[in-house]
Amino acid sequence: EVQLVESGGGLVKPGGSLRLSCSASGFTFSYVWMSWVRQAPGKGLEWVGRIKSKTEGGTIDYAAPVKGRFTISRDDSTNTLYLQMNSLKTDDTAVYYCTTDGYILDYFDFWGQGTLVTVSS
Amino acid sequence: EIVLTQSPATLSLSPGERATLSCRASQSVGSYLGWYQQKPGQAPRLLIYDASNRATGIPARFRGSGSGTDFTLTISSLEPEDFAVYYCQQRNTLTFGGGTKVEIK
Repeated sequence: EVQLVESGGGLVKPGGSLRLSCSASGFTFSYVWMSWVRQAPGKGLEWVGRIKSKTEGGTIDYAAPVKGRFTISRDDSTNTLYLQMNSLKTDDTAVYYCTTDGYILDYFDFWGQGTLVTVSS
Repeated sequence: EIVLTQSPATLSLSPGERATLSCRASQSVGSYLGWYQQKPGQAPRLLIYDASNRATGIPARFRGSGSGTDFTLTISSLEPEDFAVYYCQQRNTLTFGGGTKVEIK
């Protein structure tokens, strides 16, 4: 059974940093592209960024609002996906989900339960 | 940038009624469009991929159609568990539409 468990959310001041983790199990993590998707309170879904598998180049892409501030990485030895968030803004307040990105289908086919990040002074 | 516009924003219907949700793309996305369902407090779930294919375990009352710029998600007869928010997403640039909330009338 595919499981994705996010952790690391919390309250942080504007300008601060936070690192989210996503622990994956139930599939061969190293072969799968992974993405982060966020959802601000009461709002819709917003794709944050994606990291491809190392066998396909390990390319990382970011959405414009987070480019240059957020960094996605993966540790295939521990089946963990990371999202390093720097220079946080109040607009970054959201639930952050990790998702498989084309594990079985070329869409976000499995999702974690999400972790809440609140950026506030 | 491809923009996805969903309509209506809210759909008020009764159980047993038919729901028709629309997703329009600002330029052609071929058939590379998915639909997700999100219930309060839960993560989204993939319902439909490539415009018209149901994901594993999705009931037959959910039907996706369309291609190019105009897409539709139809729920033939609403069950109580279908009241939720639905998002479309195009596969190429990974953007989502703004969502349609299907609420109980």
